[in-house]
Amino acid sequence: AQSVTQLDSQVPVFEEAPVELRCNYSSSVSVYLFWYVQYPNQGLQLLLKYLSGSTLVKGINGFEAEFNKSQTSFHLRKPSVHISDTAEYFCAVRKDSNYQLIWGAGTKLIIKP
Amino acid sequence: DAGVTQSPTHLIKTRGQQVTLRCSPKSGHDTVSWYQQALGQGPQFIFQYYEEEERQRGNFPDRFSGHQFPNYSSELNVNALLLGDSALYLCASSLWAPAFYNEQFFGPGTRLTVL
Repeated sequence: AQSVTQLDSQVPVFEEAPVELRCNYSSSVSVYLFWYVQYPNQGLQLLLKYLSGSTLVKGINGFEAEFNKSQTSFHLRKPSVHISDTAEYFCAVRKDSNYQLIWGAGTKLIIKP
Repeated sequence: DAGVTQSPTHLIKTRGQQVTLRCSPKSGHDTVSWYQQALGQGPQFIFQYYEEEERQRGNFPDRFSGHQFPNYSSELNVNALLLGDSALYLCASSLWAPAFYNEQFFGPGTRLTVL
């Protein structure tokens, strides 16, 4: 069965430092990959998506992610984080059988001043 | 554009009771999906409605049921509540195109606590 693994439950990082949030997925026929952000007490917001084409995907708020088919990974990166990036980040893959999203357990990004 | 709205924001129920959660989709959207997000976990897909019919269903028991109205708004009903039903319930709306990608827009959720 398809699955998504977010390797870190929490990632602490100093403000203005770079960050990488890791996501691995099980292989599937077609790969549609997503990163969502959930700010405290809010719903989920799409950060970026990979549907096809260039493996480097740029999203909102300065985030980007790279699709690596051989390593079945879709890691999220930002070169310099801000306090406002404090949130939980979810990686998701679209299921082949019914086109619904399968979600990772989330990674809490903790920004240290 | 108000985006996706959900009501109520918070709800406290006791075991065995029934609950109804409501969702209004983003203007122009015709498809509503419901998700359960337990504490510390990612969302789990419950079901999806389009044209007032359930089109897809995740691995949830029949205690979970839904409805979509002609104005595309939707309700999620849960009967015989269990402690394990305590979670954030998220509604997402989109345009119907199951084999293609249409972005889902999420509401802020309803926090259900079962005592």
